[in-house]
Amino acid sequence: AQRVTQPEKLLSVFKGAPVELKCNYSYSGSPELFWYVQYSRQRLQLLLRHISRESIKGFTADLNKGETSFHLKKPFAQEEDSAMYYCALSGQGAQKLVFGQGTRLTINP
Amino acid sequence: DVKVTQSSRYLVKRTGEKVFLECVQDMDHENMFWYRQDPGLGLRLIYFSYDVKMKEKGDIPEGYSVSREKKERFSLILESASTNQTSMYLCASSLWGGSSYEQYFGPGTRLTVT
Repeated sequence: AQRVTQPEKLLSVFKGAPVELKCNYSYSGSPELFWYVQYSRQRLQLLLRHISRESIKGFTADLNKGETSFHLKKPFAQEEDSAMYYCALSGQGAQKLVFGQGTRLTINP
Repeated sequence: DVKVTQSSRYLVKRTGEKVFLECVQDMDHENMFWYRQDPGLGLRLIYFSYDVKMKEKGDIPEGYSVSREKKERFSLILESASTNQTSMYLCASSLWGGSSYEQYFGPGTRLTVT
């Protein structure tokens, strides 16, 4: 079965501090992993995907197959990073995503 | 500009009513999805469709049905609304061909069943 776990419902850090949002997954094959973000009063949107290996808005995420994790990191948090973050997984060839429970990130000034 | 629209932002219905939630996309996407979003539970897939008149059950299809008569429109139907269906409902669309394609979301419909 495919499963995504985000162990932290809430995460609060100070501006300028490093941020790490945890994501663990369960999947027997080679997954595709994503982070989606929802800012206040905005639509849910794609932040980044592991196959792109890119940094978006200063965020990066590395797929660790040994630990079955895909943690989202940013070295210096900014107030505009406050949002709801969802980790998502798709199996090989699948058209649909399985989402985690979400982590609400708050950046304090 | 990519657009997924949902017919209502807020909806209040009574228990037992039949409820229609409409979603329209203008990107010529093959795939369309209906999710419900609940605090602490994340997004859960209700149904999705990969072509006109085609549908597949998601993780929580009970109490819901869907209709896709045209490529751009995907409707979610609550045959007899119940209070436990009070939730935020999100529609999304994507290209067919693999989940690497980004899902584009609508603004959501907050449904309250009293």
